[in-house]
Amino acid sequence: GDSVTQMEGPVTLSEEAFLTINCTYTATGYPSLFWYVQYPGEGLQLLLKATKADDKGSNKGFEATYRKETTSFHLEKGSVQVSDSAVYFCALSSLSGGSNYKLTFGKGTLLTVNP
Amino acid sequence: GAGVSQTPSNKVTEKGKYVELRCDPISGHTALYWYRQSLGQGPEFLIYFQGTGAADDSGLPNDRFFAVRPEGSVSTLKIQRTERGDSAVYLCASSLRGQGGWRDPYEQYFGPGTRLTVT
Repeated sequence: GDSVTQMEGPVTLSEEAFLTINCTYTATGYPSLFWYVQYPGEGLQLLLKATKADDKGSNKGFEATYRKETTSFHLEKGSVQVSDSAVYFCALSSLSGGSNYKLTFGKGTLLTVNP
Repeated sequence: GAGVSQTPSNKVTEKGKYVELRCDPISGHTALYWYRQSLGQGPEFLIYFQGTGAADDSGLPNDRFFAVRPEGSVSTLKIQRTERGDSAVYLCASSLRGQGGWRDPYEQYFGPGTRLTVT
């Protein structure tokens, strides 16, 4: 079945540091890839997505590129802020059982950014 | 506009009791998903509704879990004879449609979740 493996945390960085959170996947078919973020006390929010190979998703300074050859979708940001402190989830969506685009998530990576 | 809402936000129950968790999706969203997030884990798929019907319930862990969506809007997740292992955050998500073209994943919008604690 489908699975997502992401870098285990926690990750602690200083403000303005460079961030990479690794994510690799296993899927049948041709999945779409996502990064979701969960800020403290809030629900899951879509951060960015990519639907085909070599697509780059970007939002709020974060980027991730869909690499089919390495089955990866690593999250990067050039300069993190304290407000980026959150749990980040890598996920994939593939068609399952007719019309079900269920999401398969990684375990999440806790990021803490210190001033 | 209003997002996905879930009630209650917290539920504490004793082992063996019955619980109902409610999800109110975004108006007009025909697809509805339930996920379960255990501590330190990512959300795991439970069940998917397209309209009123449960199109895929393959993620339900056993027959103590059941969900309905009688009018194609609000959904209720029902857990009978709760066990301590059922303690988790139960998330609901809705999307505009569940059925799209090839590589056409409609964004799923998540509710804040219901934290269930079974003592």
